[in-house]
Amino acid sequence: EAGVVQSPRYKIIEKKQPVAFWCNPISGHNTLYWYLQNLGQGPELLIRYENEEAVDDSQLPKDRFSAERLKGVDSTLKIQPAELGDSAVYLCASSSLQGANTGELFFGEGSRLTVL
Amino acid sequence: GDSVTQMEGPVTLSEEAFLTINCTYTATGYPSLFWYVQYPGEGLQLLLKATKADDKGSNKGFEATYRKETTSFHLEKGSVQVSDSAVYFCALKLSSNTGKLIFGQGTTLQVKP
Repeated sequence: EAGVVQSPRYKIIEKKQPVAFWCNPISGHNTLYWYLQNLGQGPELLIRYENEEAVDDSQLPKDRFSAERLKGVDSTLKIQPAELGDSAVYLCASSSLQGANTGELFFGEGSRLTVL
Repeated sequence: GDSVTQMEGPVTLSEEAFLTINCTYTATGYPSLFWYVQYPGEGLQLLLKATKADDKGSNKGFEATYRKETTSFHLEKGSVQVSDSAVYFCALKLSSNTGKLIFGQGTTLQVKP
């Protein structure tokens, strides 16, 4: 069974440029998460979807970040414009509804962003 | 606020040594506690969990006991292998929060042959 797939794995951009990350969750998982992992720190939740609905986006900086999950499967996280401080690893995770209750999440390998 | 604190890394051990990685937490109510592991080049994966006080989670020779009196969930393994080299994250989930994990900063373990 395929795991959570993210792309691109690495992205280098100049500040003020836009960037987008894509995530394909495990088949059948209706809960999808985007986490931010700064260097030397643990992941922090940005947004959580149940199907196509964003049920927790309280930590998403909405001035420059946006996310969507059309049709309740794949998801895209966008940053526009990017700032130097956005350099980090962006993790996507998915779970079943039961997994969301029990805390069993499945993570992708992450997309590492470097903003110059 | 709710938080998780782990011991600073990196931790470097010889093969077959005993491992302890300390984890303490601050949380309201009665959280569930987790250890996630990230092997090189892979995504984070659940290693073990405990959902209530005095529960012991175990997997792959690793163990951790939920200690409410000391608000701790220390990870232990009796004999580490080179293949255990990874980054270990302690995390909690509040019972009121579906799916939201609060992670510690991670502890890098390097096991030398």
